[in-house]
Amino acid sequence: DVVMTQSPLSLPVTLGQPASISCRSSQSLVYSDGNTYLSWFQQRPGQSPRRLIYRVSNRDSGVPDRFSGSGSGTDFTLKISRVEAEDVGVYYCMQGTHWPRTFGQGTKLEIK
Amino acid sequence: EVQLVESGGGLVQPGGSLRLSCAASGFTFTNYWMSWVRQAPGKGLEWVANLKEDGSEKYYVDSVKGRFTISRDNAKNSLYLQMNSLRAEDTAVYYCARDPGGDCYACLDYWGQGTLVTVSP
Repeated sequence: DVVMTQSPLSLPVTLGQPASISCRSSQSLVYSDGNTYLSWFQQRPGQSPRRLIYRVSNRDSGVPDRFSGSGSGTDFTLKISRVEAEDVGVYYCMQGTHWPRTFGQGTKLEIK
Repeated sequence: EVQLVESGGGLVQPGGSLRLSCAASGFTFTNYWMSWVRQAPGKGLEWVANLKEDGSEKYYVDSVKGRFTISRDNAKNSLYLQMNSLRAEDTAVYYCARDPGGDCYACLDYWGQGTLVTVSP
């Protein structure tokens, strides 16, 4: 199975400051069609997960533009340019290139 | 508005069975793969299974192969997960999620609210 490794696992951030989450895969996530199927999800406390980013860098509608995704191959990053209180929660990366689909362990973002 | 509503969770003894349902609305169900994802209490997300639009392809995580069966009824816009030989480690909230399939593999764009399955004596 492809192992998705996120870091850090805990991320205390001051309001208004940037935050960055790394996600590394044990194999390249480039699919045979040339696309890279790496998504990011946010799970706020007590809520279902919500997709933020798909195919590495495509932001979902309604997602604030302070969220951005980047990366390639095996190395990916989710960045928040200025953290707001509503960003508190756990963030997961997920790959859809290989079977079985796998998630990272999750990164818990909290306000310092 | 896309809606996914899971039901069927509950308390079951080890070795028992349970059938989860997911009622979909607000989109053309037959145009999408569908997935089940679970989350054990206080833990992370685990992809469980998914199923192609016409039911012709289905995939499972190894830990549930031979015990769980994913299916769908396109006439009823419904997704199911039949869970047999349940174990304590299957205890989790089970989410159904819409899966764009070939447009974006495993880019789960809509999720239900989840249904809790507890496996305990």
